[in-house]
Parts: sequence; C-alpha cells; structure tokens
Amino acid sequence: DTAVSQTPKYLVTQMGNDKSIKCEQNLGHDTMYWYKQDSKKFLKIMFSYNNKELIINETVPNRFSPKSPDKAHLNLHINSLELGDSAVYFCASSQGRGNGQPQHFGDGTRLSIL
Amino acid sequence: GENVEQHPSTLSVQEGDSAVIKCTYSDSASNYFPWYKQELGKRPQLIIDIRSNVGEKKDQRIAVTLNKTAKHFSLHITETQPEDSAVYFCAASKHTNAGKSTFGDGTTLTVKP
Repeated sequence: DTAVSQTPKYLVTQMGNDKSIKCEQNLGHDTMYWYKQDSKKFLKIMFSYNNKELIINETVPNRFSPKSPDKAHLNLHINSLELGDSAVYFCASSQGRGNGQPQHFGDGTRLSIL
Repeated sequence: GENVEQHPSTLSVQEGDSAVIKCTYSDSASNYFPWYKQELGKRPQLIIDIRSNVGEKKDQRIAVTLNKTAKHFSLHITETQPEDSAVYFCAASKHTNAGKSTFGDGTTLTVKP
C-alpha cells in the first residue's frame, strides 16, 4: 500500500489553464505538506496543514490554493498556470505537528506547461 | 529564518571509497536534522536523522555527525556502492516552527563502478 499517494503522476497543460493535484496519506499523520522541486532539484516548501489548519504558508503566488478537506487529504489547485510553474510537486506528511519528525513523501506530480 | 547550506553540490567517488557531505545551519534553535536520499525520478526518502542531544548516529554504512557549537552536521557513507548514487538533501527544523524543515540545495553523488 502506498503511504502517500498523489494524482496525477504527470500533468501536461497549456499556459493559462487551471489544474488540481490531489494527495492522500494513509499513515494516520496529522501534518501534510506541499513542496515544489524545480529543474535544479531544489526542494522548497509551499504549504503545510495540521489537522486541516494552515500552519505554513510560504511566499507563493496566490494562484496556488491548497485545500485540506480532512487530515488525510491535501489538494493543490493552481489557477492561470504559467511557464514558471513547470516543476515536480511533492506532497509529504509527518506525525503530530511535524516538529522533529521525518517527512514521508509521495511519488511526485510532474507538471509541464506548454 | 533558517538558512541551510550544503556542500559539495556534486561529488564523484570510486566504488568502495567514502563520501562526505556537509551542511551548515544558521538558527541555533534548530534541533532536528534529517537526511533524505532521492534517486533519479523517485521521491525523497529519509535515510538517517539526528537530534540535537546526540553527537553521532550510525546505521550500517551511513553515519551522521552533529557539531552544535559550529552549527554543522555531516553525512558519511562508507564503502560506497553504485546504488548509493542519488541526490542527498540535508534539512534542519526546530520545535517551535510548526514542523517546517529548511532543506539544503542537495548533493548529487555519483559512485563509479
């Protein structure tokens, strides 16, 4: 069983479109994250939710909107996609509020903007 | 905020040699330091971690050392094998920061057979 699962695995779309990425974890963790990994492989945190509450909101364009319907799910919606949004987006989860806990990553969603 | 610097950005070693990757952090309150391995096209996975109350931790061929005074920590891989080839990330986080981990920029390790 995949502990942290993301869908879709690949997403190819046109500039200006709106798209969503879904994430689910079956580890019973309370905290979930979204990371962006660019072409240089840098891992940058975007958002974090603890029990459906937004606790980390980095400097991310407001075209990106996370939604957590329950603590096992964290989705990412992106409006008006731009070329610079092309990247791999990783979802992750950790126990408690995440302090001092390892993060478990999903397999990533590779987003390509044409 | 926390700043984590990781060196080197690329590292090439012969199979059987040792590899060392170093990270420095800026926030003296940071107390948890995980290391993640990311193979090509795969997800990052935790390989070892260390907390601030410990100076060294070993797991088979992998060890991590922490120097709190100097604010740096290092990953040591002995007897490297081709399957150790990957990107390695260090990270730092602290108890009061809602679980936010600041990642280093990664080290691409290549182990030549």
